[in-house]
Amino acid sequence: KQEVTQIPAALSVPEGENLVLNCSFTDSAIYNLQWFRQDPGKGLTSLLLIQSSQREQTSGRLNASLDKSSGRSTLYIAASQPGDSATYLCAPTRGNTPLVFGKGTRLSVIA
Amino acid sequence: DVKVTQSSRYLVKRTGEKVFLECVQDMDHENMFWYRQDPGLGLRLIYFSYDVKMKEKGDIPEGYSVSREKKERFSLILESASTNQTSMYLCASFERTNEKLFFGSGTQLSVL
Repeated sequence: KQEVTQIPAALSVPEGENLVLNCSFTDSAIYNLQWFRQDPGKGLTSLLLIQSSQREQTSGRLNASLDKSSGRSTLYIAASQPGDSATYLCAPTRGNTPLVFGKGTRLSVIA
Repeated sequence: DVKVTQSSRYLVKRTGEKVFLECVQDMDHENMFWYRQDPGLGLRLIYFSYDVKMKEKGDIPEGYSVSREKKERFSLILESASTNQTSMYLCASFERTNEKLFFGSGTQLSVL
């Protein structure tokens, strides 16, 4: 059964820093991987979907990479801002199988 | 963009009540899911459905049931609410082509 681990569980950085969030998964037979953002008390918002053929996806200051063979994905946030403070979750996908989520990384960006 | 609508943002119910949580999506997706989210436990899958009138148990189905009479609507039912069902409930809809998941805004349920 797929297991997803996200490290670190929490992270606090000063505004302007570049940072990396890590996601690892045990079953590398996946198709794609999706990164989400969750604000307190809200639902999950999709940030990036990396298809296995792409290996990398960018949106603004966010860049996500996927290495299926090693079972890892990273989310890079450039020039962090207080508005980036949220919990970030990852979930690999495999066809119709329900997504399994990591417990997330809680990010605080201090002004 | 896909819209997934959960009928209530906050709900307060009493122990023993029958509770209905409604979820509607507007993109004709076959796959829909119900998760609950608790601090320290992450998202846990309760039930999912691959099509109308189909349902599959997830990891924690006890105390819950679901209904999928129409493709766009997936309802979660708490047959007899208990305090340990106090949680954030999240509905999601899945686009098969791109394997992309879309979430509703969540329902924070408190059972007193």
